[in-house]
Amino acid sequence: ILNVEQSPQSLHVQEGDSTNFTCSFPSSNFYALHWYRWETAKSPEALFVMTLNGDEKKKGRISATLNTKEGYSYLYIKGSQPEDSATYLCAFAGGTSYGKLTFGQGTILTVHP
Amino acid sequence: GAVVSQHPSWVICKSGTSVKIECRSLDFQATTMFWYRQFPKQSLMLMATSNEGSKATYEQGVEKDKFLINHASLTLSTLTVTSAHPEDSSFYICSARPRVAGTQYFGPGTRLLVL
Repeated sequence: ILNVEQSPQSLHVQEGDSTNFTCSFPSSNFYALHWYRWETAKSPEALFVMTLNGDEKKKGRISATLNTKEGYSYLYIKGSQPEDSATYLCAFAGGTSYGKLTFGQGTILTVHP
Repeated sequence: GAVVSQHPSWVICKSGTSVKIECRSLDFQATTMFWYRQFPKQSLMLMATSNEGSKATYEQGVEKDKFLINHASLTLSTLTVTSAHPEDSSFYICSARPRVAGTQYFGPGTRLLVL
């Protein structure tokens, strides 16, 4: 069983704050790490697919880094806005079946105006 | 682009009935579709992987006779929960992938409540 952990489970920040959260995953047989944003009553939205150690990807105020050797990825949000409130999921692809995703439990972010 | 729809969004049924959930990729062809289930406060758990025109591959512990999956075209997969029981009450969500090992695009999910 692949273990994908996200921390913290939930986070409350004020509008304008910058924040970050962590996804840890197995460091062996790595293929890719996916990040999704999931707003209530909507479909999870793909943010990033990261494949190379040391990768850093950016989309607007959101960025992510990847360390495959130690098995973690960070997601950063700069200047959080209320519309950033969502559950952020990471998913690991690798192990014996690189086509499947193993999800973490998610980090629930609430940005207060 | 890359929109996936899922229908219905919620369903309440009586114990013993069967429920069909549809997953459609609206603007791309999906070689592979996936079905997940999420129980409260838990992560999305993969139930099965289906490739168009072939039998679905089920994850360990998922009963294939209980959760029937049909992937008859490159844009449609269906999950039928047969003889549903209250313990089948959960959130079911599908995803579709346009190419091997690429991004999965998710539907909005279906909340099933079995009374």
